[in-house]
Amino acid sequence: AQSVTQLGSHVSVSEGALVLLRCNYSSSVPPYLFWYVQYPNQGLQLLLKYTSAATLVKGINGFEAEFKKSETSFHLTKPSAHMSDAAEYFCAVGAYTGRRALTFGSGTRLQVQP
Amino acid sequence: GAGVSQSPRYKVTKRGQDVALRCDPISGHVSLYWYRQALGQGPEFLTYFNYEAQQDKSGLPNDRFSAERPEGSISTLTIQRTEQRDSAMYRCASSSPGTGSTGANVLTFGAGSRLTVL
Repeated sequence: AQSVTQLGSHVSVSEGALVLLRCNYSSSVPPYLFWYVQYPNQGLQLLLKYTSAATLVKGINGFEAEFKKSETSFHLTKPSAHMSDAAEYFCAVGAYTGRRALTFGSGTRLQVQP
Repeated sequence: GAGVSQSPRYKVTKRGQDVALRCDPISGHVSLYWYRQALGQGPEFLTYFNYEAQQDKSGLPNDRFSAERPEGSISTLTIQRTEQRDSAMYRCASSSPGTGSTGANVLTFGAGSRLTVL
């Protein structure tokens, strides 16, 4: 069984500040990990994914995430927030056995203050 | 098509009515997934298909929910005798086989069908 916990349903940062969105996972097998972003009235879009290659994964729009097995974490970061980053962010876990569909966290809404 | 298309985008129905939600995946995508997303929550897995075969329906909440993909392309999610608790955004996603495990495939989501049961 797999699960994802996203700490903080709402995060607010100032424009130009560091963005840190937290994700911890639970998986009985080596996981595949994803971050998706959802803008209002749109579908979820892939930001980045980890599939057991490099532990530091770079995605679109300047986001990156680091897989830390010892901490079972896959936190999403961006050095400098832009107003356009305001959206809802979802962490998800997949696996090569068992359920072959992604399990999503409950999401973190990011607000960017001018 | 260019993206995953879902219809209707909005559906308002009365309790007890049946509804059918349609998903047209990206052309050539083998796998098709249905998720349900309540307000303020992440997407919750319902079921998925590889081609026309339903691989996993363990997320369907009860026997009022069913899904089909008869020709391995368009899929329909049907909810019979709708209840107010069925109100949610229903999201469809598709993915191509890729070269690795299905669990690593990137899902492309549609904009969703928002169902409101009165």
